[in-house]
Amino acid sequence: EDQVTQSPEALRLQEGESSSLNCSYTVSGLRGLFWYRQDPGKGPEFLFTLYSAGEEKEKERLKATLTKKESFLHITAPKPEDSATYLCAVQADWGSQGNLIFGKGTKLSVKP
Amino acid sequence: ETGVTQTPRHLVMGMTNKKSLKCEQHLGHNAMYWYKQSAKKPLELMFVYSLEERVENNSVPSRFSPECPNSSHLFLHLHTLQPEDSALYLCASSQDLRGYTFGSGTRLTVV
Repeated sequence: EDQVTQSPEALRLQEGESSSLNCSYTVSGLRGLFWYRQDPGKGPEFLFTLYSAGEEKEKERLKATLTKKESFLHITAPKPEDSATYLCAVQADWGSQGNLIFGKGTKLSVKP
Repeated sequence: ETGVTQTPRHLVMGMTNKKSLKCEQHLGHNAMYWYKQSAKKPLELMFVYSLEERVENNSVPSRFSPECPNSSHLFLHLHTLQPEDSALYLCASSQDLRGYTFGSGTRLTVV
């Protein structure tokens, strides 16, 4: 069964304190791995798509990496405005439009 | 207007009511989705429409009824809901593998 597990469930950081969020996945055939950011009361906002092991993508203070079993979202010198829930999702099923299977998310709080 | 727009933003309904959620996308995408987001749970896929044809129905109770009249509009018709159906309902659209674009969601409360 396709599955996505995110850890930790919640993470509290001081401003400037770098850290990483983990996303472990089990999928029969990975079509893509997605990272989203979700603010309270809003829909998820797309951050990155990773397609193959070894791939890395960066955007401002965020860097996403991918291996065959997991993905990491590295946050360098975070600021309070980075506080949000970060969602990981995988897309399988090459033969169809494909739906996303989501993890429960990591709630990040960055204190000034 | 751009992106994915959902209305209403908030909805309170009784268990005997009938209401509809609306989603509109202005991105030219060819697929649209309904997801349910409950507290402490991952987003759950409800329905997928590709080129206006329903391609997936994830064992959703019949009290939820989707409608996709064209590639830009998606509805979720609700009737005789239960309190456990209270959640954030998210609409999304996509084109190929460029990632989903989500709307802001409708916060539904069933009383």
